[in-house]
Amino acid sequence: GAGVSQSPSNKVTEKGKDVELRCDPISGHTALYWYRQSLGQGLEFLIYFQGNSAPDKSGLPSDRFSAERTGGSVSTLTIQRTQQEDSAVYLCASSLRVAGHNEQFFGPGTRLTVL
Amino acid sequence: AQSVTQLGSHVSVSEGALVLLRCNYSSSVPPYLFWYVQYPNQGLQLLLKYTSAATLVKGINGFEAEFKKSETSFHLTKPSAHMSDAAEYFCAVRENQGGKLIFGQGTELSVKP
Repeated sequence: GAGVSQSPSNKVTEKGKDVELRCDPISGHTALYWYRQSLGQGLEFLIYFQGNSAPDKSGLPSDRFSAERTGGSVSTLTIQRTQQEDSAVYLCASSLRVAGHNEQFFGPGTRLTVL
Repeated sequence: AQSVTQLGSHVSVSEGALVLLRCNYSSSVPPYLFWYVQYPNQGLQLLLKYTSAATLVKGINGFEAEFKKSETSFHLTKPSAHMSDAAEYFCAVRENQGGKLIFGQGTELSVKP
């Protein structure tokens, strides 16, 4: 596609439910990144993929968070047993390659609200 | 560990005035540095990036930034502000290994008529 797309754009869920957030990167981009943007914490890195592998998961805040990428393309971020502190905008980005000055192109984000 | 500090969470300027948004970084090696802009309810858009080719970097919408190693700074400037420049601006440093971006806290720019 022309840009990075994310779905859903908005998600409201009840505490304790599981949610899945989807990211479709730019075609041909090998690297894919997940970030979280919240009022108190700013923009935080969560995880990145090179192909289908995740060399750096250091930003995932707890074991309730997981992500996968299949076919070197679409990625899904799953949050189990959601908590109110998970409310944030989840941003996905992709770049042609991981290394160097390659620009990361960002999607519009998924706004997650946990009631 | 690399980090980024943006001085001033909110900056207000008059239309036509100089825009100066400050960014300082810490890194033990020459970094890759970026400025992104975020308009309300939108994702981040790259304004410009420093990749060591030149210390003065020109970006989109008339913005530019100068890399100063001695000051570990990468301040963003624009000679004349437009109303359409009102947005939040993020400075980021990219790790040499892995490529994740480490962001500053952001600066919200307001432009008064």
